[in-house]
Formats: sequence, structure tokens, C-alpha cells
Amino acid sequence: QVQLQESGPGLVKPSETLSLTCSVSGDSINDYFWTWIRQPAGQGLEWIGRTWTRGNTDYNPSLKSRVTMSIDTSKNQISLRLSSVTAADTAIYYCAKLFLHSSRFDPWGQGTLVTVSS
Amino acid sequence: QSALTQPASVSGSPGQSITISCTGTSSDVGGYHYVSWYQQHPGKAPKVMIYDVSHRPSGVSDRFSGSKSGNTASLTISGLQAEDEADYYCSSFTSSDSFVFGTGTKVTVL
Repeated sequence: QVQLQESGPGLVKPSETLSLTCSVSGDSINDYFWTWIRQPAGQGLEWIGRTWTRGNTDYNPSLKSRVTMSIDTSKNQISLRLSSVTAADTAIYYCAKLFLHSSRFDPWGQGTLVTVSS
Repeated sequence: QSALTQPASVSGSPGQSITISCTGTSSDVGGYHYVSWYQQHPGKAPKVMIYDVSHRPSGVSDRFSGSKSGNTASLTISGLQAEDEADYYCSSFTSSDSFVFGTGTKVTVL
């Protein structure tokens, strides 16, 4: 059964770059899209982007200028980088598997809280 | 891209049926068969309940069903149970090759 685990610094300074990793176990990383989604405290979900091993990467238009996602197949990991962060980027960040030709985000990792503060 | 519109809250008594709406545009909900619904309990990660408008993953109760008409998708929970009390979010693929989530609905079981 596939499991996803997010990891990375819990505290990032304003204007710096947020970097997170999603480790995938129990499934092939090659056959699906992998996505990042975030949720500020007490607020709704925001889709950040998706990537897969065949190179297609799509981002939320509102974040596109600051986001980079990539896959390391040797480590079965997906990474997220978000540059020039502000307090508005404080949120729980989730990674999730996205089935091809589908809207199914399943499963999700437990999420990791990232706080942007000096 | 704007978030899809959901009612802030919906409530019902145990055993009743409730429906949550998710309204978008022809560039998202109305244009694609890629609408999904997620249940989120406090402090937990979201869980898919319905995908591709009306498909239910194995393990999800058949009390949950989904449909779509025009630019509005709907999630119906029949035979409401205490464990259904949670936040629910819809999601849709968009013409920008991206996904957008709904504003979220808090379901209360009276």
C-alpha cells in the first residue's frame, strides 16, 4: 500500500526559498502524477502543482513564477521549491498521488507545517 | 483562478440525506469530467470520497454519491451518520491544465 511522507524545515525566513521532499513507498513513482497541495491554518485547500517522470509539470498560475517541482526516481522522492516566501505561504503542505487521466488525489501524505517568519 | 463555490455549512439529522453543491464555470467543472470530492476531519489529511464526478474508491461507503449538471457538481450523503461530520472540498481540473479546489463545506450532524 502506497505511503507518502513529507519532510523539510518547519521554519523558513521571509524572502527565502521553501524546500520540501515527499518520499513515496509501496508504489512505483513512474506511473502517476505527483502533486503538492497546501492549506493555511483554518482555511481551504490550494493546489500548487503536479509533476511526473515523463517531464510534464503544471503549476497553479498564481504560484507559477515561484514554484519548481521535480522527481528523483533513484530515491522515489518528489521535491517542491517555493521561492521568495512571505507569511502568506505559511501552511500545511501535503503531497498526494494523482492518477493519470483522472481527478483522483489518493492517497495524501500526513502533511507538514511550514511557518514563514523571521 | 478562482476557487469553486461551495456553501459554508450544511447540516442534517442522523439518517437524513444532504447535498453539497460545487459551482464553477465552463472552464472547469462544466468543461471536464474531472471533479472529485474530499472529506477532511480536524487535524487529518483529506481523503478522496468521489472522483471523476461519480466514481467511488473501494472502501468508501456507498452512502456517498456524486453527480454533475452544467457548471455545478454535487455530493450527496445519504443515511447521515455522526462520523460524516467533517469538512468537504470539491476539486476540478481546469482549462489552464491545473486543478482548483472549492471553498469548503462544514457538515454538521445534528
